[in-house]
Amino acid sequence: GAGVSQSPSNKVTEKGKDVELRCDPISGHTALYWYRQRLGQGLEFLIYFQGNSAPDKSGLPSDRFSAERTGESVSTLTIQRTQQEDSAVYLCASSVSSGARVAKNIQYFGAGTRLSVL
Amino acid sequence: GQQLNQSPQSMFIQEGEDVSMNCTSSSIFNTWLWYKQDPGEGPVLLIALYKAGELTSNGRLTAQFGITRKDSFLNISASIPSDVGIYFCAGGISGTYKYIFGTGTRLKVLA
Repeated sequence: GAGVSQSPSNKVTEKGKDVELRCDPISGHTALYWYRQRLGQGLEFLIYFQGNSAPDKSGLPSDRFSAERTGESVSTLTIQRTQQEDSAVYLCASSVSSGARVAKNIQYFGAGTRLSVL
Repeated sequence: GQQLNQSPQSMFIQEGEDVSMNCTSSSIFNTWLWYKQDPGEGPVLLIALYKAGELTSNGRLTAQFGITRKDSFLNISASIPSDVGIYFCAGGISGTYKYIFGTGTRLKVLA
C-alpha cells in the first residue's frame, strides 16, 4: 500500500491475555518505529528497527513487551499478560534511509491500534 | 519514556488569529520535525528542519530550528477551523534515526 498500515485498528482484550499488533511499513523503508500514546498524552518511544542492525529496545517498558521484524518488512509488537495500564494507542512509523536530505529521517505514521485492556 | 516540553499544552483561539507554540529540550538535536494529529489518526508531518537557525514555511505554517539546537518554534498564521488538532514536535538524535517527541499542543479554533 501507499502508507503505513496497522492492524487491527482496535483491540479489546482481557487482563492477562497476550496481544499481537501488526505493522506494514511503506515499501522500501528500512527503519521502523513503535510508539505508545496514552490518552491525551504525547508519543512514547518503544523500539526501532534499522535494516539488519540490532534493534534499539531502550523504550520497551517491561519484559512483557517485545517486537520482531523480518528484514525490511512487517513488524509485530507483542504484549504478554496485558495489564490495564497497557491501554493506549500503539503507533507504528517507518522511514527511508536515504542520502536525499529531504527524505532523510522523516517518519510516516500509521493510524495506530487502539488497545483496550479490560 | 523521555518526552520534550511543549508549550502551551492547549490553546483556544478565534478563527483568523495567529498561533505560536514551542518545544524545548535540555539536549541538542540535529533535526526538528513538526507533526499534526487529528482524532483517530496517526501524526502527519508538517515541516522538517535540519539546520540551526533554519526558518521554513509550509503555507500558513512557519517553523524555526532554534540557534542553540535545543528548541524549535511553530507559527500558524490566520488560523482556520481545520487547524484543530494536536501538534507535536520531535527532536532527532544525531547519528541515529531515533526521535524524541514533545508532549503536544492541543489547538482548538473557535469560528
